[in-house]
Amino acid sequence: ETGVTQSPTHLIKTRGQQVTLRCSSQSGHNTVSWYQQALGQGPQFIFQYYREEENGRGNFPPRFSGLQFPNYSSELNVNALELDDSALYLCASSLRYREPDYGYTFGSGTRLTVV
Amino acid sequence: DQQVKQNSPSLSVQEGRISILNCDYTNSMFDYFLWYKKYPAEGPTFLISISSIKDKNEDGRFTVFLNKSAKHLSLHIVPSQPGDSAVYFCAVEMNSGYALNFGKGTSLLVTP
Repeated sequence: ETGVTQSPTHLIKTRGQQVTLRCSSQSGHNTVSWYQQALGQGPQFIFQYYREEENGRGNFPPRFSGLQFPNYSSELNVNALELDDSALYLCASSLRYREPDYGYTFGSGTRLTVV
Repeated sequence: DQQVKQNSPSLSVQEGRISILNCDYTNSMFDYFLWYKKYPAEGPTFLISISSIKDKNEDGRFTVFLNKSAKHLSLHIVPSQPGDSAVYFCAVEMNSGYALNFGKGTSLLVTP
């Protein structure tokens, strides 16, 4: 059983640029969520995708967008990068309507630095 | 507005002793409460959870206690081992399958 894989692991971008982060969900999972973890903070929910549609969104502006593909993999796109977007971006996969004692499976994250 | 609070940024415990990590939440509508462990350069790993209809759940050395009247959650690790040294996040969700709301984490150090 493969886990959640994210690419790239590290990325440096310039303010104003656009970035795409990728995530392959765990085999058998059909839901993907994205989280942003700033230094010293807990992960903050960005959005969730189920059946290729956005299924919930946290307090993030529209320049954060995403996609889910038929194989349940996902992309996170961020436009017009700002310095405060520098963070660890985590992807988590799960089964929709999972048993409550079966938590999300997280990837190791993409460390984005905006300069 | 922080709905999940972990007021202790760090905790140091001797090997073999009990580690107690605490978490407070503000919304009585949360249905599930989860604990995640995170090592550096890795993603959070699910540890244990508890439903709002229970007050205790145990899994080996890990026990989670839920006090709904106090809106308080705690994780007990007995006995603590050096490999338990990590950042522990408390997380809550409204319904199974929806967004997790995390605390800021508590860094646990277990010393030999």
